[in-house]
Amino acid sequence: EIVMTQSPATLSVSPGERATLSCRASQSVTSDLAWYQQKPGQTPRLLIHDTSTRATGIPARFSGSGSGAEFSLVISSLQSEDFAVYYCLQYNNWPWTFGQGTKVEVK
Amino acid sequence: DVQLVESGGGLVQPGGSLRLSCVTSGFTFSTYAMSWVRQTPGKGLEWVSVINDSGGSIYYADSVQGRFAISRDNSKNTLYLQMNSLRAEDTAVYYCAKSFGSWGQGTLVTVSS
Repeated sequence: EIVMTQSPATLSVSPGERATLSCRASQSVTSDLAWYQQKPGQTPRLLIHDTSTRATGIPARFSGSGSGAEFSLVISSLQSEDFAVYYCLQYNNWPWTFGQGTKVEVK
Repeated sequence: DVQLVESGGGLVQPGGSLRLSCVTSGFTFSTYAMSWVRQTPGKGLEWVSVINDSGGSIYYADSVQGRFAISRDNSKNTLYLQMNSLRAEDTAVYYCAKSFGSWGQGTLVTVSS
C-alpha cells in the first residue's frame, strides 16, 4: 500500500497570504494525484486531479504541481472560504490512499 | 447537475449486515467507474471499493475484502454496497463517488451492540 504523508498537519495563514501544502508518496504515483477540500460538516470537494488540472468551477488561485512522489498544492491568496482541511489522494495503485490531511487555519 | 444520494445506513449490531444504495442522476452512469469511500474521525478517509463502468472490474480495500460486495445496476443508475460481518471499526460515514470527482452527502453506518 502506498502511504501518503501530508505536511504540515496544521498551517496558520492570514487572509490574503499564500499557502503551500505538501504531499509525499512512499513510492512514485506518476501524476495520479488529486487534492480535496473539506469544510466542517461538508463532503470533500475535488479541487485538483492529475496533479495540476483544476476541477470544474475551482478558482485559479488553487494550483497543483509535482510528479513522482512529491506534490504541492498552492493557494495563492487565501480567502475566508478557503480555511478548511485539505487531503491528497493517490489513484495510481490500488488501494487508492489518502493523506492524513492538512488543516489550514486563520493566523 | 450531478447528484448522488446515498441511503441504507443505520445502527447495526456487530456481525450484522447492511446494504447501501446510491441513486444517481445528471450524468451517464453507465460510462463511469463508481466508488464507495468512508470517513471516520479516527482513521480519516479510506477508499473502500471501486467498480468499473461495466461491473467487470472490482477492487476492495484489504479491510473489507471478503465481507463487502460492490455492485451496480446501470439500468437504474444505482450503485450498491452489501456489507456483511460488520465490525465496530466499520463505523463511518459512507460516501458514494463518481469516479473520484463528485461525492454524495454520505450515509452514517454505526456498528454497535
